[in-house]
Parts: sequence; structure tokens; C-alpha cells
Amino acid sequence: GAGVSQTPSNKVTEKGKYVELRCDPISGHTALYWYRQSLGQGPEFLIYFQGTGAADDSGLPNDRFFAVRPEGSVSTLKIQRTERGDSAVYLCASSSGLAGVTDTQYFGPGTRLTVL
Amino acid sequence: QQQVKQSPQSLIVQKGGISIINCAYENTAFDYFPWYQQFPGKGPALLIAIRPDVSEKKEGRFTISFNKSAKQFSLHIMDSQPGDSATYFCAARFDKLIFGAGTRLAVHP
Repeated sequence: GAGVSQTPSNKVTEKGKYVELRCDPISGHTALYWYRQSLGQGPEFLIYFQGTGAADDSGLPNDRFFAVRPEGSVSTLKIQRTERGDSAVYLCASSSGLAGVTDTQYFGPGTRLTVL
Repeated sequence: QQQVKQSPQSLIVQKGGISIINCAYENTAFDYFPWYQQFPGKGPALLIAIRPDVSEKKEGRFTISFNKSAKQFSLHIMDSQPGDSATYFCAARFDKLIFGAGTRLAVHP
């Protein structure tokens, strides 16, 4: 596909359950980012991958959140023991990783997570 | 120091008018200032961006004005159209992108 894709588009779960959110970046993009967007707010940085490794995970709110990118392409954001406060839209973005500070991030449509 | 403050929260403009959205920052280490446009149900899309060594950048109807000494930057949308109705986010980057809270723009025909 031409853009960043995310699945599922919507996820409803119960408090305490485990969820996985998937991101397929633009082909060839080495940099991948996860953000969380709460209602009426701007995206909030969670984690950044360069290739397979997490280069910056300083935005992960606590140890219930974890993300992987084992082959340097698809990434999965994993949330354990979900809480109602985790309800938000989770956005994924990718970039070429080559253009330095002006490297454009291309966003996917997001996964809307609702924790009941 | 990491915050980017954006105003107004919402804006209503008549078709053909000028839309102006303002942002302010504190961290002088920020070195890249993009603006993103987001339609409902979609992810943000890069609209226009500026580096701090430039005071103005124009692309079509969209212009960024940048005031380094005041640590402020703004987006101007000239000849606003109903199709411009969306939420706009300013952002600033040091090692990561920090987004403002967004401005919901409505352009009335």
C-alpha cells in the first residue's frame, strides 16, 4: 500500500484485558513512531524505532505499555492490564529516517481504543 | 519547557477570509516547526514546515511566520475555503515532535 496502515481501526476491550495494535509502515521507511491522541488533544509521543531497535521509549507512560518491531517493518504496540484511562486513538507514523531533522513523518489513520 | 501552546482552540472564518493560528514555545533547542492538518477519522498530514533560521515560508495559500526572539510562530491560511475545515496542529521538534493541542477550523461558505 501507499501509506501507513493500522489495524484494527477500532478496538473495544474490558478493563484488565491485553490488547495488541498493529502498524504497517510505508515500505522502505526505517523510522517508526507511536503516538497517543486523547480527545481534543494533539498527538503525544510514545516510542520511536530506528530499524528494529527502540531508539527512544521515553514517552511510554508505564510498564504496561510495550512495543516491538522484530524485522524492522511491522510494529506492534502491546498494552497489558488495560485501564479506562488508556482509551484514546493510537497513531503510528513512519519516515525514511534519512533526512535528519526535517524527516517528514507520515501518519496512519489510527486505532481507536476504548476500554470499558 | 517541552510544551507548545496553541491558540485559539477553535476558529470560524468566512469563505475567502484569512485564518490565523498561533503557537508559542519555550525550549530554544527546538529546530524544526511543522504544521499538521487532520480531518476526522484520519491521521495528521504534514501541511508546511519551517526551520528557525527562516522568518517566513509560503506554500500556495499557506504561510508560516516565525519570530525566533519571541519564540512564536503562526500559520496563515489565505482565501480560506470550506475544504480547509479541519483541525490544525503546530509542532516543534528537538529529539521528538511535541504537538500543540490543536485548533478546530470551520470555514463557512
